[in-house]
Amino acid sequence: DTGVSQNPRHKITKRGQNVTFRCDPISEHNRLYWYRQTLGQGPEFLTYFQNEAQLEKSRLLSDRFSAERPKGSFSTLEIQRTEQGDSAMYLCASSLRDRETFGSGTRLTVV
Amino acid sequence: GQSLEQPSEVTAVEGAIVQINCTYQTSGFYGLSWYQQHDGGAPTFLSYNALDGLEETGRFSSFLSRSDSYGYLLLQELQMKDSASYFCAVERDKLSFGAGTTVTVRA
Repeated sequence: DTGVSQNPRHKITKRGQNVTFRCDPISEHNRLYWYRQTLGQGPEFLTYFQNEAQLEKSRLLSDRFSAERPKGSFSTLEIQRTEQGDSAMYLCASSLRDRETFGSGTRLTVV
Repeated sequence: GQSLEQPSEVTAVEGAIVQINCTYQTSGFYGLSWYQQHDGGAPTFLSYNALDGLEETGRFSSFLSRSDSYGYLLLQELQMKDSASYFCAVERDKLSFGAGTTVTVRA
């Protein structure tokens, strides 16, 4: 058990470019969550999966955002046509029955 | 929806006791969780209350009163390593977090 792994740790991109982040959850965990955190705020829920099914999406998740978990294991979060307001820490978490375990996040900076 | 309020900052000396209050407005939830986050790090689970009352885990305790829409995290015997941000969060399939309380421990 190596915990929740997120890649890359940091990403700098130009406005308008597409970016994709990857999350590898704890292997036996069936639930996987994506959150976004900006400076001085708590994490905000974006979406979550149970196995490969995406069960809930926040209104924060605009049409430019898409998440997948095709085989019920790792997940990707893609942001298309990035905007400066997308700059944030993107956190992934996983759980089985108990509390969510978070990864260290991907810090996105849009310039 | 959920709205949680907690103090933005607390400062205390080593060895002291700190209580971080969390008030909430929510339409329903399974329980109240507390997470710790050091600068640049992942949020780490500390404590969870599904029922009213006190839960104790080492130096950390958490309390929930559903009738008062209120909870708190108690940090005892503060250590320098406890300097971090602390978040309360209501749990209902996913977590809805407060804005966090920055705790600074001074020698």
